Amino acid sequence: GNSVTQMEGPVTLSEEAFLTINCTYTATGYPSLFWYVQYPGEGLQLLLKATKADDKGSNKGFEATYRKETTSFHLEKGSVQVSDSAVYFCALGTRGGGSNYKLTFGKGTLLTVNP
Amino acid sequence: NAGVTQTPKFQVLKTGQSMTLQCAQDMNHEYMSWYRQDPGMGLRLIHYSVGAGITDQGEVPNGYNVSRSTTEDFPLRLLSAAPSQTSVYFCASSYLAGARTNEQFFGPGTRLTVL
Repeated sequence: GNSVTQMEGPVTLSEEAFLTINCTYTATGYPSLFWYVQYPGEGLQLLLKATKADDKGSNKGFEATYRKETTSFHLEKGSVQVSDSAVYFCALGTRGGGSNYKLTFGKGTLLTVNP
Repeated sequence: NAGVTQTPKFQVLKTGQSMTLQCAQDMNHEYMSWYRQDPGMGLRLIHYSVGAGITDQGEVPNGYNVSRSTTEDFPLRLLSAAPSQTSVYFCASSYLAGARTNEQFFGPGTRLTVL
């Protein structure tokens, strides 16, 4: 079956520090890969995505590259801000037979950025 | 556009009570789904629908019913609430065409406590 393993954290950084959150996956077929972010008290929103091998997704200074050879999709940001404090979820999207479409999520990583 | 809306935001039930969590979207999305979020578990798929009149089970469907009479609405019913159903529930929607690569839009969530 499909699964996502991500660094569980919590991760605590100082402002302007470099961020890496590791994500690896197991999937049948050819998944799309996503990072979603959940700010306190809110629902999830898409941060970035990549739909094929070697694609790089980027948004708001965050980046992640779809590495098929290592089945990874690590999230990075060069200089974090206090406003980046949130829970980050790695997810893979697959489509089975017919209309069976599913997002499989990792457990989430809580990031706290201190001023 | 309101996006994906969910009501109520908070709910407390007693064991054995029934209730319906409401979800609506105004983006004309064919695909709608319900997830539950538990600490350390990420999000798990409960039920999903690919259009009016069509629903199917996800990863953790037991104890929940759904129906889809319109494109806009996708209510989740708890028939006889149990403490194990204490969780945060998220509704999500997306276009079905190219579903493997599509962003899913999430509602703000319903926090349910079963005593």
